[in-house]
Amino acid sequence: SQTIHQWPATLVQPVGSPLSLECTVEGTSNPNLYWYRQAAGRGLQLLFYSVGIGQISSEVPQNLSASRPQDRQFILSSKKLLLSDSGFYLCATEAGGLSYNEQFFGPGTRLTVL
Amino acid sequence: LAKTTQPISMDSYEGQEVNITCSHNNIATNDYITWYQQFPSQGPRFIIQGYKTKVTNEVASLFIPADRKSSTLSLPRVSLSDTAVYYCLVGDRGGFQKLVFGTGTRLLVSP
Repeated sequence: SQTIHQWPATLVQPVGSPLSLECTVEGTSNPNLYWYRQAAGRGLQLLFYSVGIGQISSEVPQNLSASRPQDRQFILSSKKLLLSDSGFYLCATEAGGLSYNEQFFGPGTRLTVL
Repeated sequence: LAKTTQPISMDSYEGQEVNITCSHNNIATNDYITWYQQFPSQGPRFIIQGYKTKVTNEVASLFIPADRKSSTLSLPRVSLSDTAVYYCLVGDRGGFQKLVFGTGTRLLVSP
């Protein structure tokens, strides 16, 4: 079965500071990976997805970037955080089950930008 | 991608059946209907998926009328632990799974 690790679990950062969130996946190879953000009281917003090493697609223009240096590693970064970057960041992969549109989510990182 | 509309919140009591309806008037022929559950400070969890008629698993049932313009998630005999946000998503099976989550329905189950 798949396992997704995300760290850190929580993070408090000042405005203008850099960011690096990491996601690693176990139990699968060559997965499609996704980064989502959930602002307080809102639904999830897809930020990036990746179909392989070095392949990143961005869904919305933003202050963030993503990279995939290894098959099962997905990193979310920012050079200078904004207040609006606060939120709950979730990494996900396709569950590989019989259902379509079934994704498996990691535990998330809660980011607070002050 | 088809847009979905759900009630913002619902209240229920332990042991009752809860039905959450989702409207998706612009659903396409190739679209499937998927429901997720999200507890606070956790990622969403896949519950059930269907294309038409009725689907049932160990967690819930999904009812889809013939015109597929709506769907109803049915949770039998809810417990306090069913308190969560429930999301209805519509999308096809092709390509990448660019899931679109709305604000969902916040279900509160009371004793």
